[in-house]
Amino acid sequence: ETGVTQSPTHLIKTRGQQVTLRCSSQSGHNTVSWYQQALGQGPQFIFQYYREEENGRGNFPPRFSGLQFPNYSSELNVNALELDDSALYLCASSLTRGGDYEKLFFGSGTQLSVL
Amino acid sequence: AQSVAQPEDQVNVAEGNPLTVKCTYSVSGNPYLFWYVQYPNRGLQFLLKYITGDNLVKGSYGFEAEFNKSQTSFHLKKPSALVSDSALYFCAVPRGGYSTLTFGKGTMLLVSP
Repeated sequence: ETGVTQSPTHLIKTRGQQVTLRCSSQSGHNTVSWYQQALGQGPQFIFQYYREEENGRGNFPPRFSGLQFPNYSSELNVNALELDDSALYLCASSLTRGGDYEKLFFGSGTQLSVL
Repeated sequence: AQSVAQPEDQVNVAEGNPLTVKCTYSVSGNPYLFWYVQYPNRGLQFLLKYITGDNLVKGSYGFEAEFNKSQTSFHLKKPSALVSDSALYFCAVPRGGYSTLTFGKGTMLLVSP
């Protein structure tokens, strides 16, 4: 186990609603990234937070937003849900020290279904 | 943009036989390459990474990967497959930041008893 926990594990929403997904990082990690994994695809980078600041964003619209808290836990918020938002959402934590490519520690994900 | 390609959706191998999962890359400069594995209902787990140095990289669970610059490949290998190796395997490259990756679409490995 990685020590990264995500909640909830499954979620069903209807189109137009808003959703908040939560992630608790591995102890000692200061960086959290969120990925969207659609069925049959590899994970797609949404954004990353480092020490509570957004530190990079993928090709996702502004209705995807996030937060990182002082204890380095994180939230992913999605507004105005669309059917195509149905996917597995993965949180990954890491320790950014600069100068190296650190491995990511992933949670088991939240399976979001939008009806 | 840096990218990887995994040409096989699925690889089937019998237990005890060697396995190879293919990955090719397209990067500018020196490549940094990763392999991750995803077991059912689990998140991804790090297997190994190539930074520089030896072309054969050893990783977790007996896996290794061979870096080939002339063929722009980074194939994942294991000398003797186990049924428990059955999972989804992803090749990845950094997408700019140190902790952000671009993943391939994945290859499902099925090891039969």
